[in-house]
Amino acid sequence: QSVLTQPPSVSGAPGQRVTISCTGSSSNIGAGYAVHWYQQLPGTAPKLLIYDNTNRPSGVPDRFSGSNSGTSASLAITGLQAEDEAHYYCQSYDTNLSHFWVFGGGTKLTVL
Amino acid sequence: EVQLVESGGRVVRPGGSLRLSCAASGFTFEDYGMNWVRQAPGKGLEWVSGINWNGGSTGYVDSVKGRFIISRDNVENSLYLQMNSLRVEDTALYYCARFRASSQLLPDAFTVWGLGTMVTVS
Repeated sequence: QSVLTQPPSVSGAPGQRVTISCTGSSSNIGAGYAVHWYQQLPGTAPKLLIYDNTNRPSGVPDRFSGSNSGTSASLAITGLQAEDEAHYYCQSYDTNLSHFWVFGGGTKLTVL
Repeated sequence: EVQLVESGGRVVRPGGSLRLSCAASGFTFEDYGMNWVRQAPGKGLEWVSGINWNGGSTGYVDSVKGRFIISRDNVENSLYLQMNSLRVEDTALYYCARFRASSQLLPDAFTVWGLGTMVTVS
């Protein structure tokens, strides 16, 4: 059971827009801690996609965007491409003693 | 080129010990806090442990507290994870990951990742 909750899977056709949600609580996202997003292509290490809720590292296309509100955050991908098919993870910081950096369970994006 | 290369993973019996290493290059190692993140086969990511720039501050997920020890050598540009009393549930690919900007254990993103080293407890 992950501290941050993501849908197990989402899908979309090429060119479409999809969103992936990340639901937390008052001890992490709701406490104002930033949300970061990672993309993990099959057989590779995670890659930072969005940091501090809305910022894209150099080289990440502007088709990827992040937002958050209250205890939740979202990753939006517009103009879906076949190479976007991957697992996506949200991450935040949690103030409970049992956790520090916490990840969502991951969402598998399928491009139809 | 900024790079992290993990090593030390292997098959080990339950109750055994293992020391993972992570060699850093392409950046000033002592300027950044570092972390270990693991991924069990077919599962998601789990933060395991973190350490600040000089080793003076460390953190662990509850499931490894008292069994794992994180350390670093800023002269050798290396990060380590000493894993003791290993359990079957510790089986995972272990990644070394660098904070994006922080030298301390702060809520920062992980911007540089290694390829991982596989630990199998069986």
